[in-house]
Amino acid sequence: QQQVKQSPQSLIVQKGGISIINCAYENTAFDYFPWYQQFPGKGPALLIAIRPDVSEKKEGRFTISFNKSAKQFSLHIMDSQPGDSATYFCAARDRGSTLGRLYFGRGTQLTVWP
Amino acid sequence: DVKVTQSSRYLVKRTGEKVFLECVQDMDHENMFWYRQDPGLGLRLIYFSYDVKMKEKGDIPEGYSVSREKKERFSLILESASTNQTSMYLCASSVGVDRAEKLFFGSGTQLSVL
Repeated sequence: QQQVKQSPQSLIVQKGGISIINCAYENTAFDYFPWYQQFPGKGPALLIAIRPDVSEKKEGRFTISFNKSAKQFSLHIMDSQPGDSATYFCAARDRGSTLGRLYFGRGTQLTVWP
Repeated sequence: DVKVTQSSRYLVKRTGEKVFLECVQDMDHENMFWYRQDPGLGLRLIYFSYDVKMKEKGDIPEGYSVSREKKERFSLILESASTNQTSMYLCASSVGVDRAEKLFFGSGTQLSVL
C-alpha cells in the first residue's frame, strides 16, 4: 500500500521552463514533508522540506506548495536548468511511528533540455 | 559534512551466497537505515536501527537481516541471495533519538545476483 503517491514518473522540460512534481497522501498523522534530489551515481540528498502549518516554502528556484485540506503537496522548480536533471522523491513523516519514519514516493525523473 | 560510506559500489554474487553490505557513518548519528531502490518503485525501507543492537523491520524485511554492533556501523545481510534481490541498496543515517529528521544517504551499492 503506497503511502505517498507521486506523479509524473518522468518529466521533460525545456531550459528556463517550470517543472512541477505532485504528491498526494491520505495519512493525517504525517507532519513533515521533505523532497529529496538524487543525481546519477549518488544517494538522495535533502532539497527542501515543509511542515503543514504553512502553505508554501521557497528556497531559491525551488518552492513547495502545500494544500492540507486536499492532502497534496508539490515541488515547483522555476527557471529549470540542465543541472536540475535528476530524480526527485517526495516523502512524508509519520509522527506516530517509531522514529517518525519517512515514507517515500516512487520518484520523478526530471530531464531539462538545454 | 556527514559522510555515509558504503563499502562497495558494485557487487556481483551468485544465487544462494550469503552477502554482507556494510555501511559506516562518521557523525555519531543514532539512527541508521537500509533502503532498496528499484526503478519505478522508489525507495523502500528494509530495516532501521535507532541504537546499538536495536533494529526494527521496515516494509520489505523478508530475506534480509541486519546487525548493529557499533554505533557507526550498520550491516545488511542477505542470508541466501536470490535473483529478485538484484537492486541498488542505499544506507542512510540521521540524528535524533525520537524523531528522524534529515536523512544522509550513502552513494549506494548496486548488487547483482546471478
